[in-house]
Amino acid sequence: EPEVTQTPSHQVTQMGQEVILRCVPISNHLYFYWYRQILGQKVEFLVSFYNNEISEKSEIFDDQFSVERPDGSNFTLKIRSTKLEDSAMYFCASSDRSSNQPQHFGDGTRLSIL
Amino acid sequence: RKEVEQDPGPFNVPEGATVAFNCTYSNSASQSFFWYRQDCRKEPKLLMSVYSSGNEDGRFTAQLNRASQYISLLIRDSKLSDSATYLCVVTGTGTASKLTFGTGTRLQVTL
Repeated sequence: EPEVTQTPSHQVTQMGQEVILRCVPISNHLYFYWYRQILGQKVEFLVSFYNNEISEKSEIFDDQFSVERPDGSNFTLKIRSTKLEDSAMYFCASSDRSSNQPQHFGDGTRLSIL
Repeated sequence: RKEVEQDPGPFNVPEGATVAFNCTYSNSASQSFFWYRQDCRKEPKLLMSVYSSGNEDGRFTAQLNRASQYISLLIRDSKLSDSATYLCVVTGTGTASKLTFGTGTRLQVTL
């Protein structure tokens, strides 16, 4: 069964450093998403991406965050200057059609900011 | 009011028991509804979509009541492997609509 893959599985970074989280969505999917889950809390939406542009973003997704689909297969999330509170699991998801379809999640990147 | 509200549990049930989870959502314009399952420190995995007519997948039955903005999940004949957190999830409207998650209900099935 096709799956969403994410790298790295765990990233440890000093506060203030830039970090890039990578995702390869399922190949025929058109809609891409990033979510995060702080330890012990619920999964929160960050951003959705379709047709090479952001469709929607949450309040969390401020100017420190950006997304890119550089080459038609990868989908990246960049955090420009990390803060302690950015420590969380980051999940990438994709779906093949729009809002009525379930999204399929990658197994996540655990980001630890020191 | 929370967008998606669930009883966090935990629900501790013996193997073979039937257990039911409920969820309410605040946005009456929500379009699609799902139950996801999440094991500890893992990604959410789709368990099933939820339809107004009710739907069943093996031991799992899901129901949606749009008038009451209420979603349910029934698990029959619980197995040890059903132990997980069950996430109630709704979508909004529009293209590339985000998923809004509840905090989840934790289920522990014991011998």
